[in-house]
Amino acid sequence: AQTVTQSQPEMSVQEAETVTLSCTYDTSENNYYLFWYKQPPSRQMILVIRQEAYKQQNATENRFSVNFQKAAKSFSLKISDSQLGDTAMYFCAFMKLKDDKIIFGKGTRLHILP
Amino acid sequence: DVKVTQSSRYLVKRTGEKVFLECVQDMDHENMFWYRQDPGLGLRLIYFSYDVKMKEKGDIPEGYSVSREKKERFSLILESASTNQTSMYLCASSFGGIGGGEQYFGPGTRLTVT
Repeated sequence: AQTVTQSQPEMSVQEAETVTLSCTYDTSENNYYLFWYKQPPSRQMILVIRQEAYKQQNATENRFSVNFQKAAKSFSLKISDSQLGDTAMYFCAFMKLKDDKIIFGKGTRLHILP
Repeated sequence: DVKVTQSSRYLVKRTGEKVFLECVQDMDHENMFWYRQDPGLGLRLIYFSYDVKMKEKGDIPEGYSVSREKKERFSLILESASTNQTSMYLCASSFGGIGGGEQYFGPGTRLTVT
């Protein structure tokens, strides 16, 4: 069975700093998808970034980028130039290649301080 | 824009009541999901539907049932609500059969059972 572990339950950083959220996962699959989802306070969960395991290049979306280390089964999220609007719960998630179900980690609550 | 709506943001019910949580999506998605979100436990899948009238149990189906009579609507039913079902319930939808599909989430229903 697949598992997703987020070792940082809560983090705080100053606005404009760079922050990295950690995620490790366990799977015997060779091809799969990894995601970071963001859940702002009292707002809907949205997809931040997606990585296909067969792609060596790390995914990037504006200020958000990932460090995907397949051999180490590590998938960290880096937020550059953090903004107050980045305050949210962040979930790392895993999906098998031909599956529709996602396995979520327990989440990291990120506070961006003014 | 994909829109996933849930019938209530907040709901208070008494122990033993039958509770219906409704979810509607407007993107003709094949897949619909019900999750439960609890602090420190992340998102846990209750039930999954991949087509009208088709359903699959998730990780924590006990005490819940679902109904999908139309493609756009997926209902979660608590047959006899109990206090340990007090939680945030999230609905999501996605395209089916393409692998790696993004899930789109509703705003959530915070259910309190007294």
